[in-house]
Amino acid sequence: KAGVTQTPRYLIKTRGQQVTLSCSPISGHRSVSWYQQTPGQGLQFLFEYFSETQRNKGNFPGRFSGRQFSNSRSEMNVSTLELGDSALYLCASALEETQYFGPGTRLLVL
Amino acid sequence: ELKVEQNPLFLSMQEGKNYTIYCNYSTTSDRLYWYRQDPGKSLESLFVLLSNGAVKQEGRLMASLDTKARLSTLHITAAVHDLSATYFCAVDNRGSQGNLIFGKGTKLSVKP
Repeated sequence: KAGVTQTPRYLIKTRGQQVTLSCSPISGHRSVSWYQQTPGQGLQFLFEYFSETQRNKGNFPGRFSGRQFSNSRSEMNVSTLELGDSALYLCASALEETQYFGPGTRLLVL
Repeated sequence: ELKVEQNPLFLSMQEGKNYTIYCNYSTTSDRLYWYRQDPGKSLESLFVLLSNGAVKQEGRLMASLDTKARLSTLHITAAVHDLSATYFCAVDNRGSQGNLIFGKGTKLSVKP
């Protein structure tokens, strides 16, 4: 089976812009979660979607949003980018107990 | 608020030696996960521990879970250079496997 895929893999934006990241889960997985990884804060949970519904949300400002489509693909959007949003954004999909992570999107905000 | 603490955060080992990484968490949780991350790469699932007393082994790595003590350990036996990576433990938050709280990670360096 193909793994979790994320696009784009690398992205450079400037402050104030917005960005959309995409995640395609493993076929058959209906749960998709997003995490932000930075050297200072480590891995932090952003949100979780299941069957197109947001099931959980982490402690991030409203500039961070997401959605899930009927084919389980998910997108996350960050509006009004700040320098501190520079991070590796990881998507994970799950069927039973284990979450499988994608390669991540590395976002640099200048 | 669920907190997950790992120690040590940095570990330099010689090949052939044994060592243990500890993961403590602050509230009751159903599942504990161990992941490995190589530099510039994503997270690779190592173990999922689902119950008190669970023990799982893969190669030179063995993980265990004590839910009463809220403690998991990752034991490394006869370390080799290929085990050099950052190891994370994570606990599911509020019973949701899609909402994981991660420790800060243990950066392991195995030297010849």
